[in-house]
Amino acid sequence: GEDVEQSLFLSVREGDSSVINCTYTDSSSTYLYWYKQEPGAGLQLLTYIFSNMDMKQDQRLTVLLNKKDKHLSLRIADTQTGDSAIYFCAERSGNFNKFYFGSGTKLNVKP
Amino acid sequence: DTEVTQTPKHLVMGMTNKKSLKCEQHMGHRAMYWYKQKAKKPPELMFVYSYEKLSINESVPSRFSPECPNSSLLNLHLHALQPEDSALYLCASSQGTGGPSGYTFGSGTRLTVV
Repeated sequence: GEDVEQSLFLSVREGDSSVINCTYTDSSSTYLYWYKQEPGAGLQLLTYIFSNMDMKQDQRLTVLLNKKDKHLSLRIADTQTGDSAIYFCAERSGNFNKFYFGSGTKLNVKP
Repeated sequence: DTEVTQTPKHLVMGMTNKKSLKCEQHMGHRAMYWYKQKAKKPPELMFVYSYEKLSINESVPSRFSPECPNSSLLNLHLHALQPEDSALYLCASSQGTGGPSGYTFGSGTRLTVV
């Protein structure tokens, strides 16, 4: 399958910005996604970006896509303790029914 | 209704038991999925149903048997499981064809095989 890679941990202070990075390998990906998973819960779709876009902003969230380098990032402005969770990036392959998830980045927000 | 509902939330079963996991959505989504998630790992795709037909089986052992009785329901029948099958089982759904919609996930069933 496709490889989607993320760093495992990120720790920030409340009020700072967080940047979570992701790299992927499938150049035919049409959409790329960010999901949030809190302990013991399912995955919550945060945002997505179409592969012909460079940037998408949605309130405190900014997604940047560098298609040439196959690099995706999620910036969370004014990070809050409630943002502590695991964040997964995912790509949708040419077969639209298959999503490939990264390993997840655990974000720890310190008060 | 914008949710995927999974029952039960927790399940403990012996290796000789037969049990079923249930998933329900009323968003009109025509694709439904089963994922398995081990601790500190990403979800791994097991099965995909598209328009109530099984379209993808990711080489899942036959002790897991999916069923899609109608467009709103998805079951996962379990039989003769092993302790290593203990995991969080996630159901998801998405709109049928194309478009950007991601998955809507349920909150999962935490399965423990003893």
